[in-house]
Amino acid sequence: QKEVEQNSGPLSVPEGAIASLNCTYSDRVSQSFFWYRQYSGKSPELIMSIYSNGDKEDGRFTAQLNKASQYVSLLIRDSQPSDSATYLCAVNIEGDDKIIFGKGTRLHILP
Amino acid sequence: NAGVMQNPRHLVRRRGQEARLRCSPMKGHSHVYWYRQLPEEGLKFMVYLQKENIIDESGMPKERFSAEFPKEGPSILRIQQVVRGDSAAYFCASSPQGPKNSPLHFGNGTRLTVT
Repeated sequence: QKEVEQNSGPLSVPEGAIASLNCTYSDRVSQSFFWYRQYSGKSPELIMSIYSNGDKEDGRFTAQLNKASQYVSLLIRDSQPSDSATYLCAVNIEGDDKIIFGKGTRLHILP
Repeated sequence: NAGVMQNPRHLVRRRGQEARLRCSPMKGHSHVYWYRQLPEEGLKFMVYLQKENIIDESGMPKERFSAEFPKEGPSILRIQQVVRGDSAAYFCASSPQGPKNSPLHFGNGTRLTVT
């Protein structure tokens, strides 16, 4: 069974600190990885995609991928109250035609 | 620069009725995906379609559910003889290429309530 695992949280982080969100996946041949943010009652919004090992930075967000250890993480620097949301990790597995989502981690930024 | 358009935003059906959910992908996108989300749950894959073809329907219940993406017009997710357990948010997403190379862009969803 191919799965994407995330800690459901809530993860509470003080404003201005770094929030670290982790995701593990079960299939070694996964090749495309995505982080989405979802506010309550809203649709998921793409934050970042990452396809190769290493770090990818975009503004306050950094995605880190380690295919050998089967994890992908998202760092949010200088956390803001507006970052409070559920963060969904998504994975496409080689040879598969779908993108599978984890259940998400609820992040709460404390003002 | 319209995004993924879903309608209706809210749909109320009585048990046994049919629900039809529509999705128009972003301009230039020919790949459409449908997901279901229950409260406090993640997104569950249902079906992946390209124009006139169902590519992967492994997440779709075998009975009562069907999906299409005709040559002209929106993609339709159809649920026949709805039951209370079908109450959920249904999200459509589109991409310009397959899942290996391009992320999904989501519509605002249709919230289905079965009474």
